[in-house]
Amino acid sequence: GAVVSQHPSWVICKSGTSVKIECRSLDFQATTMFWYRQFPKQSLMLMATSNEGSKATYEQGVEKDKFLINHASLTLSTLTVTSAHPEDSSFYICSAGDWSEGYTFGSGTRLTVV
Amino acid sequence: AQSVTQPDIHITVSEGASLELRCNYSYGATPYLFWYVQSPGQGLQLLLKYFSGDTLVQGIKGFEAEFKRSQSSFNLRKPSVHWSDAAEYFCAVGDTGGFKTIFGAGTRLFVKA
Repeated sequence: GAVVSQHPSWVICKSGTSVKIECRSLDFQATTMFWYRQFPKQSLMLMATSNEGSKATYEQGVEKDKFLINHASLTLSTLTVTSAHPEDSSFYICSAGDWSEGYTFGSGTRLTVV
Repeated sequence: AQSVTQPDIHITVSEGASLELRCNYSYGATPYLFWYVQSPGQGLQLLLKYFSGDTLVQGIKGFEAEFKRSQSSFNLRKPSVHWSDAAEYFCAVGDTGGFKTIFGAGTRLFVKA
């Protein structure tokens, strides 16, 4: 089955720095990937749709300049949290695959900004 | 707009007892429905999905779900719960417009010995 790898699993960074999170499709090509944010004990909120070779589509209310998405190849999408602040601390999850089969999710990245 | 409602924030069942997690959806056409499970600090795993055909869908780990159009429901069931089933369960609907997945708020399952 489709496998999505997300790295790192967790990261701690200082306020004001930037953090990059990678999402890779290991055994298939993904022209589209999705980035979600999940607050503790809450559901997943879609942040953006990452499109290979073109600009990402952001959901309403998501700051595109803060959450930079790059989908430079068919197997890799990256989410960069720029100038991170404590309120950006969250669990970030990517997904990809065949929509009609149910997307495959990465294992998530726990970001803590101190 | 599509939406998913999971009325129960958390449910506690005894090990070996049966389980039913409720899910109601709002969608204009025939929905694409999913159930996912999430263990703490982990990503999501697909349990089962429904697109069309038989309204009773079998999934992994002994789970099943029944699509009831008249009730706009897609409840998840398991006849006998194991302690390892303790997790967060998300019902989701597929948005055919943008091929997005819209999640419910989730139901936390606790299993007591």
